[in-house]
Amino acid sequence: TQLLEQSPQFLSIQEGENLTVYCNSSSVFSSLQWYRQEPGEGPVLLVTVVTGGEVKKLKRLTFQFGDARKDSSLHITAAQPGDTGLYLCAVETSGSRLTFGEGTQLTVNP
Amino acid sequence: DAGITQSPRYKITETGRQVTLMCHQTWSHSYMFWYRQDLGHGLRLIYYSAAADITDKGEVPDGYVVSRSKTENFPLTLESATRSQTSVYFCASRGTGVFRYTFGSGTRLTVV
Repeated sequence: TQLLEQSPQFLSIQEGENLTVYCNSSSVFSSLQWYRQEPGEGPVLLVTVVTGGEVKKLKRLTFQFGDARKDSSLHITAAQPGDTGLYLCAVETSGSRLTFGEGTQLTVNP
Repeated sequence: DAGITQSPRYKITETGRQVTLMCHQTWSHSYMFWYRQDLGHGLRLIYYSAAADITDKGEVPDGYVVSRSKTENFPLTLESATRSQTSVYFCASRGTGVFRYTFGSGTRLTVV
């Protein structure tokens, strides 16, 4: 059983559309991270959310941590082709290890 | 240049051969990690290290060996490569502060 379930697995949209991807778990976490990975590169950290109910914005990206700290969402407004990539959520477990969800592969078509 | 570098970027090897993937970081971060990334499985932790000479198994350690004699280097060795070890391997280090995990650009390994 995956610790973190991400949905949808794949998403293909047109430029200018809005989208939301989800990261869910039955466990409670002290914090959760979102990464973006582009082809041929390693994941790059976008944001860390810490407080239940917290909302963080990064330009057109809005991240929310659930009130119970079991889930998180990433909303992109007016998606652009440059947003194309694999979006991963991750949590720190014992020993400072990161455990990842399987990711959402986003394609934004011009 | 500061950062975390992996070498080689691409490697093709034959079944049964030993191969070592290199990882070097310039920050003196205590924690370093090796992950593999496969379709349908995401990123899975192979081994990690909390400091020089301290290593521990992750989720999928079988068939791999690590060492960490120096803080800045964390090589990953496949003792006898198998086709199931064909994957993209990422090294990462963990510093302090908000943006504390940094990943290398990966090594794409193909075992034929």
